[in-house]
Amino acid sequence: GAVVSQHPSWVICKSGTSVKIECRSLDFQATTMFWYRQFPKQSLMLMATSNEGSKATYEQGVEKDKFLINHASLTLSTLTVTSAHPEDSSFYICSAPKGLVTGELFFGEGSRLTVL
Amino acid sequence: AQSVTQLGSHVSVSEGALVLLRCNYSSSVPPYLFWYVQYPNQGLQLLLKYTTGATLVKGINGFEAEFKKSETSFHLTKPSAHMSDAAEYFCAVTGGSQGNLIFGKGTKLSVKP
Repeated sequence: GAVVSQHPSWVICKSGTSVKIECRSLDFQATTMFWYRQFPKQSLMLMATSNEGSKATYEQGVEKDKFLINHASLTLSTLTVTSAHPEDSSFYICSAPKGLVTGELFFGEGSRLTVL
Repeated sequence: AQSVTQLGSHVSVSEGALVLLRCNYSSSVPPYLFWYVQYPNQGLQLLLKYTTGATLVKGINGFEAEFKKSETSFHLTKPSAHMSDAAEYFCAVTGGSQGNLIFGKGTKLSVKP
């Protein structure tokens, strides 16, 4: 079964509104979670690393004021797309490492954001 | 810096034929390598991984991959394609210090009846 759950799977919003996406680790604690963005027919691009109890680390070119990340507990990280615009429409996927040895990431189901 | 190159954005095979998806990597440290599969509008599911030890690794759904250090490759194969194998496949290598993965651009596999 899934070990990382992401919600909502689909969201449609009007331009200018904010949207929150949740990512939960289901049966383990995740001090770190990764947020990826996937454009149509393209690969996954790391947006930011979410760290429990501290500020997120953003990749170059990602606006931290637009993509707010909060890692409030060891099982929950949220991504809020603020003042969304049509160009923010994308597939957002979160992931978390389970265990330190293998480097394997477990991925959420993804969230399809469409901004009208 | 680590990087991944997947040759061929789209591969089409007939049902029952051999599947070969190519992946080459660049890494400044001994790599951990992964293949993930993605079905439409879904997250990624791990197919297999190489960390250390045996260079031929077997994964789910009959897939396997061989780590070849001399060729910096980690190609994915399956002896006989099934219709259900049609999906997007991503090769990945361990990236930054916090454990994120660096992904290739993906290869879309189509299976013809």
